[in-house]
Amino acid sequence: AQTVTQSQPEMSVQEAETVTLSCTYDTSESDYYLFWYKQPPSRQMILVIRQEAYKQQNATENRFSVNFQKAAKSFSLKISDSQLGDAAMYFCAYISNFGNEKLTFGTGTRLTIIP
Amino acid sequence: KAGVTQTPRYLIKTRGQQVTLSCSPISGHRSVSWYQQTPGQGLQFLFEYFSETQRNKGNFPGRFSGRQFSNSRSEMNVSTLELGDSALYLCASSLKAGGAGNTIYFGEGSWLTVV
Repeated sequence: AQTVTQSQPEMSVQEAETVTLSCTYDTSESDYYLFWYKQPPSRQMILVIRQEAYKQQNATENRFSVNFQKAAKSFSLKISDSQLGDAAMYFCAYISNFGNEKLTFGTGTRLTIIP
Repeated sequence: KAGVTQTPRYLIKTRGQQVTLSCSPISGHRSVSWYQQTPGQGLQFLFEYFSETQRNKGNFPGRFSGRQFSNSRSEMNVSTLELGDSALYLCASSLKAGGAGNTIYFGEGSWLTVV
């Protein structure tokens, strides 16, 4: 079974600085997708960024980028120029491209932005 | 276009009662999945429906059931409520079934409190 591990329960960063959230996963599959979701106090799960395992190029979305290391099964999220609105729980998630298609989530990292 | 819509947003039920939660996916999306989020267990997959068929089910007792209608709207039902069923229930929709190259979008959730 696939597992997703987020080893940082809480992180904090000064506004306008850069922060990196860590995620590792375990799978025997080669074709899968990885996601970072943000869950603000409203509790809606908002997609931040998506990475396809077969693509070597790291995904980027404005101030958000990932460092995807397939061999190491590592998928970290970098947030540049942190803003107060970035404060939220961040979840790393995995989904296989075939077979048992359900999202497997990590336990989350609570990110605090310090003004 | 409108996102994933869940109703009701908040509800309080008594132990032993049953509850029905509703989810309207993004227009054109045919896959709907449900997740339960609790502080202790994190995010856990309940089930997934595609074209009115349940394709996958998580490790939950038979008290948890669901269905999908021809317009892709989905309902989940929990019978004989227990205190431990208190949780945020998140619905997600995607264009195709499961992983299959999809991006999965979430609703705002339904907060269920069992007293």
